[in-house]
Amino acid sequence: KAGVTQTPRYLIKTRGQQVTLSCSPISGHRSVSWYQQTPGQGLQFLFEYFSETQRNKGNFPGRFSGRQFSNSRSEMNVSTLELGDSALYLCASSLYQGINEQFFGPGTRLTVL
Amino acid sequence: AQSVTQLDSQVPVFEEAPVELRCNYSSSVSVYLFWYVQYPNQGLQLLLKYLSGSTLVKGINGFEAEFNKSQTSFHLRKPSVHISDTAEYFCAVSPYGGSQGNLIFGKGTKLSVKP
Repeated sequence: KAGVTQTPRYLIKTRGQQVTLSCSPISGHRSVSWYQQTPGQGLQFLFEYFSETQRNKGNFPGRFSGRQFSNSRSEMNVSTLELGDSALYLCASSLYQGINEQFFGPGTRLTVL
Repeated sequence: AQSVTQLDSQVPVFEEAPVELRCNYSSSVSVYLFWYVQYPNQGLQLLLKYLSGSTLVKGINGFEAEFNKSQTSFHLRKPSVHISDTAEYFCAVSPYGGSQGNLIFGKGTKLSVKP
């Protein structure tokens, strides 16, 4: 079974631009979560989606948004990029919401210049 | 609110030596506890989890962890490490009844195994 895939793997943007990251969960998984990983702040929870609905949201500004499609694929969008948005963005999927093992993708490395 | 403290940012150790990576958490409610490993340029992989029951939890790759409620700790141990265990290790919590999709992570501990 294929793992969680994230596209693109690397991305370079400039301040003020917007970016969309994509995550395809493991086949059959319906829950998708997003995390931001930076050297300074570590791993921080962004959002969790289940059945196309955002179930939980972390403490991030409104510039960060996401959505989930009927096939469980998910996208996250960051508008008006800032230098501090440079990070590894990780997506994780699980069968259902709740205490089911999460499987992480390799991440998208975003660099904001 | 919950928080996680990993007491050591880096742990160097020689191959075949034992290792303990320390994790303490703070929470006003009961929690689920997890340890993840991240190899360079990869995502996270679940090593083990504590949901309930026995406080000694065994995971993959020979790792185990012990939940200590009175000390609010969940330290990770391995009796004999290999070069391939070199990676970054993250402790995480989720509130009891919550979702594993909404984890609070510690800052990570980089384990460096030397020959």
